[in-house]
Amino acid sequence: AQRVTQPEKLLSVFKGAPVELKCNYSYSGSPELFWYVQYSRQRLQLLLRHISRESIKGFTADLNKGETSFHLKKPFAQEEDSAMYYCALFPPRGGNTGKLIFGQGTTLQVKP
Amino acid sequence: NAGVTQTPKFRVLKTGQSMTLLCAQDMNHEYMYWYRQDPGMGLRLIHYSVGEGTTAKGEVPDGYNVSRLKKQNFLLGLESAAPSQTSVYFCASSYVGGGEQFFGPGTRLTVL
Repeated sequence: AQRVTQPEKLLSVFKGAPVELKCNYSYSGSPELFWYVQYSRQRLQLLLRHISRESIKGFTADLNKGETSFHLKKPFAQEEDSAMYYCALFPPRGGNTGKLIFGQGTTLQVKP
Repeated sequence: NAGVTQTPKFRVLKTGQSMTLLCAQDMNHEYMYWYRQDPGMGLRLIHYSVGEGTTAKGEVPDGYNVSRLKKQNFLLGLESAAPSQTSVYFCASSYVGGGEQFFGPGTRLTVL
């Protein structure tokens, strides 16, 4: 079954501390993976996708096919990073619908 | 480009009332989706459409109906609202082939 798991509902860190939001997936194949972010009372927006291999707002995520993980990392958290983060999987074989499979989301709280 | 817009932004209904939520996109996307977002449940897909005139059930379709009469619009209807439908509703769209989805600002619905 295709599934995305974000094991932490809430992650609370102090400003300047490293952050790692965990994402594990189950999919038999080569999926595309995304991280979406939702700031307070705003729409979801794409943060980054694994195929672009870029750093956005200091965040990076590496696809580890062996561990089927796509953890989101930032070396030094900022208060403005406080938001809800969703990991999402796009199964290319399901491309005729475009559906994404979302994890349950992790709320990141960065304390001053 | 307005992107994805949703109407209304807020609504309060009484149990048994009906209403329609409108989603519009100006990106010429083929695919459109309706999600609901609830605390601890993440994003759950209600219905989706892969093109004008088509609709399909998602993960939690009961109590909702949809229509896609025009490519740019995707309507979500609640025929007889229930308190369990209190939620934040997000519309999204994507291009053929899927992957990145673009979200609207959300509609906050309360059913009393």
